[in-house]
Amino acid sequence: DAKTTQPPSMDCAEGRAANLPCNHSTISGNEYVYWYRQIHSQGPQYIIHGLKNNETNEMASLIITEDRKSSTLILPHATLRDTAVYYCIVRVAEYGNKLVFGAGTILRVKS
Amino acid sequence: DVKVTQSSRYLVKRTGEKVFLECVQDMDHENMFWYRQDPGLGLRLIYFSYDVKMKEKGDIPEGYSVSREKKERFSLILESASTNQTSMYLCASSPLVPRASYEQYFGPGTRLTVT
Repeated sequence: DAKTTQPPSMDCAEGRAANLPCNHSTISGNEYVYWYRQIHSQGPQYIIHGLKNNETNEMASLIITEDRKSSTLILPHATLRDTAVYYCIVRVAEYGNKLVFGAGTILRVKS
Repeated sequence: DVKVTQSSRYLVKRTGEKVFLECVQDMDHENMFWYRQDPGLGLRLIYFSYDVKMKEKGDIPEGYSVSREKKERFSLILESASTNQTSMYLCASSPLVPRASYEQYFGPGTRLTVT
């Protein structure tokens, strides 16, 4: 699986959009971009994934650059409950393929 | 909503005890996983199962076994608990169809302490 690079931490004001970047310059054509988050002392939570098109669901939007070498997770209106570690993962979508979390980005949403 | 539940949030066991960690998912997912998460080591796969009675070893299966007798339930067994198995244990499940994108849904975790 391709390696990802994320900033170690970010701050965001409550109610504002949180934009979390991820670089994955060695991504292969059959690898998806997945985002998960983990709130302190809880299990990881799946957020969104995409292959090459931008994606949106009830939690977030995922913007993938045309060359697929980077992506941005957007939380449109961050709340205090969005404070968590956010993990960007690039992996082939196949059964049994484990998740490998890097260090992630600690997002602190402040009032 | 996908729901993955684990039998305990916190567990304290003694060295040498046999420990059972239970995981149940309610979305009819084919794939289920057991991970452990430790500070500085990230998430490590212990075992996974892609069908009832089927299992495959992950990266760190030593000291653990698993059981999947029913599709919705995946159990992790520590045959003889040791202090180096003190960790956060996470169960996950993943659909096979229809989306075939294999995102994983996690339970809340069990924080096991072996003394």
